[in-house]
Amino acid sequence: GAGVSQSPRYKVAKRGQDVALRCDPISGHVSLFWYQQALGQGPEFLTYFQNEAQLDKSGLPSDRFFAERPEGSVSTLKIQRTQQEDSAVYLCASSPDRAYSNQPQHFGDGTRLSIL
Amino acid sequence: KQEVTQIPAALSVPEGENLVLNCSFTDSAIYNLQWFRQDPGKGLTSLLLIQSSQREQTSGRLNASLDKSSGRSTLYIAASQPGDSATYLCAVRGGSGNTGKLIFGQGTTLQVKP
Repeated sequence: GAGVSQSPRYKVAKRGQDVALRCDPISGHVSLFWYQQALGQGPEFLTYFQNEAQLDKSGLPSDRFFAERPEGSVSTLKIQRTQQEDSAVYLCASSPDRAYSNQPQHFGDGTRLSIL
Repeated sequence: KQEVTQIPAALSVPEGENLVLNCSFTDSAIYNLQWFRQDPGKGLTSLLLIQSSQREQTSGRLNASLDKSSGRSTLYIAASQPGDSATYLCAVRGGSGNTGKLIFGQGTTLQVKP
């Protein structure tokens, strides 16, 4: 596709439910990032994939958060036993080269997650 | 730990005015710095990327400068238009030991009044 695609755009879940958020990066992009953006704040890094390898997961806030990119293209961010503080916009970004690159990151429109 | 700060948090100007948005970072060992625009309910659109070896980048009415030694960057918008109204975010990509993640400021929300 022309850009990074994320689905669903909006997700409402009850506390304690599991959710899965999907990211389709730009075709052929090697690097894929997940970020979490709270209301009125800048995005914060969650995790990074280079192809199918998860090279950095230092930003994942707890072991309830899990991400995968099994074939080096589509990625899924899963949150188990959701809590109210998980409510945020989850942004996915991709870039054509590896991490140390001067290629800009291209962002999707995000998934707005609301936990009731 | 790298921290990025943007001042002001919000700015309102009349149409046609030139304006400057500020970004500062605490660790000068950066790989590059990127300015983004975010419209309500949307993702981030990359505006300009300045490599660590560069001093400035220009695109149309936008000019971004980088002073790595002092930990500062500015985004200059010339002849502002109502369509420029959005939140502007700066982000730094770290140096060694970093897997390329971006560290963002909190953003400056700009309103350009007709």
